[in-house]
Amino acid sequence: ETGVTQTPRHLVMGMTNKKSLKCEQHLGHNAMYWYKQSAKKPLELMFVYSLEERVENNSVPSRFSPECPNSSHLFLHLHTLQPEDSALYLCASSQERVNWGSYEQYFGPGTRLTVT
Amino acid sequence: GQQVMQIPQYQHVQEGEDFTTYCNSSTTLSNIQWYKQRPGGHPVFLIQLVKSGEVKKQKRLTFQFGEAKKNSSLHITATQTTDVGTYVCAGIDFGNEKLTFGTGTRLTIIP
Repeated sequence: ETGVTQTPRHLVMGMTNKKSLKCEQHLGHNAMYWYKQSAKKPLELMFVYSLEERVENNSVPSRFSPECPNSSHLFLHLHTLQPEDSALYLCASSQERVNWGSYEQYFGPGTRLTVT
Repeated sequence: GQQVMQIPQYQHVQEGEDFTTYCNSSTTLSNIQWYKQRPGGHPVFLIQLVKSGEVKKQKRLTFQFGEAKKNSSLHITATQTTDVGTYVCAGIDFGNEKLTFGTGTRLTIIP
């Protein structure tokens, strides 16, 4: 499946580093999402973007900074992360923005992030 | 806030046996979705249920939405090794766009 791509697939960074995660969707969707998946915890929604406008921000620490330059691309900028931020970061997209939870989510393969 | 719980957390079955996972919400849902995540993979959409008491089938998989729209189940008949993975439900509160994911049930198959 190549509908939603993410780079890099794996990332190891120190707590003082700055890095960015990239997501691209090739499905013509109007909404994009960042999720965090930690071991033994349910998927946690971090941010929702619709037509380049942030419509949801789930009390995520400011060390995570999203950017959506257009409807096909989504970035997650990382700085001064903590070891507990180590997780799988998943990007997803869905067709529409209004009632976005009613549409199936297409997930990318994820970025496995390790903070040392 | 809304919570979505799934039981069991893990299930090991012999190939050919049936499997069921249950999803329970603390609030009434407007709809519920099911996803499958293979080991090392990402969640893949399976189905969405919207109506109270709705039942949908996909080959050996049967999905049900409870009458009160607070619970759902996924039943797999005669499991195969390709069914291995984590099955996750996700629901939306009435009046709330947010999709809340459940804790998932990890299924392993003993050949």
